[in-house]
Amino acid sequence: QITLRESGLTVLKPTQTLTLTCSFSGFSLTSSGVGVGWIRQPPGKAPEWLALIYWNDDKLYRPSLRSRLTISKATSGNHVVLIMTNMDPVDTATYYCVHSSSWDPLDYWGQGTLVTVSA
Amino acid sequence: DIQMTQSPSSLSASVGDRVTITCRASQGISNDLDWYQQKLGKAPKRLISAASNLQSGVPSRFSGSGSGTEFTLTISSLQPEDFATYYCLQHNSYLVTFGGGTKVEIK
Repeated sequence: QITLRESGLTVLKPTQTLTLTCSFSGFSLTSSGVGVGWIRQPPGKAPEWLALIYWNDDKLYRPSLRSRLTISKATSGNHVVLIMTNMDPVDTATYYCVHSSSWDPLDYWGQGTLVTVSA
Repeated sequence: DIQMTQSPSSLSASVGDRVTITCRASQGISNDLDWYQQKLGKAPKRLISAASNLQSGVPSRFSGSGSGTEFTLTISSLQPEDFATYYCLQHNSYLVTFGGGTKVEIK
């Protein structure tokens, strides 16, 4: 059974850096075709894809946020980390971790974590 | 970016009604389209993958159709638990994009 869970500081001030960790089980990020990504959803709005990292360490980013985003695999354990710099109140959203594969994208989602950016 | 235009943005319907939601892609995406249902405070739940494949455990009153640029989600007989927001999602491009959502409310 695939599960994913997001964790990290959820209240930030403008200009601070967001660091979120996705802890997962039920699959291996060393398996060919497998990836873990991040999607966010501002309150009352549609979701927005942010980034994805594949089993082979290939990384994809949302172009408009590329300069602020870094996705990486933890050196040990089943974890993926998302870093977003220079946070702004418009970045307030629920951030979801997602499992993806080349044959079935975005098939499993975490429960999400609400990140609030406020002075 | 591939833009996904979803309509309507909201609708009011009664239990038992047939409901149709449409997504239009700004360019052809084959059948690389999924439909999600989201209830308040919960993560989106996938209902349909690859335009028409019903996910395991999803009631058969839900169906999806379409290919290329025009896609439809149909709920054949709306049930009380179906009142939620629905999103389409395209994954033909690496830059996955969502439709704007359709909020289904009780009439």
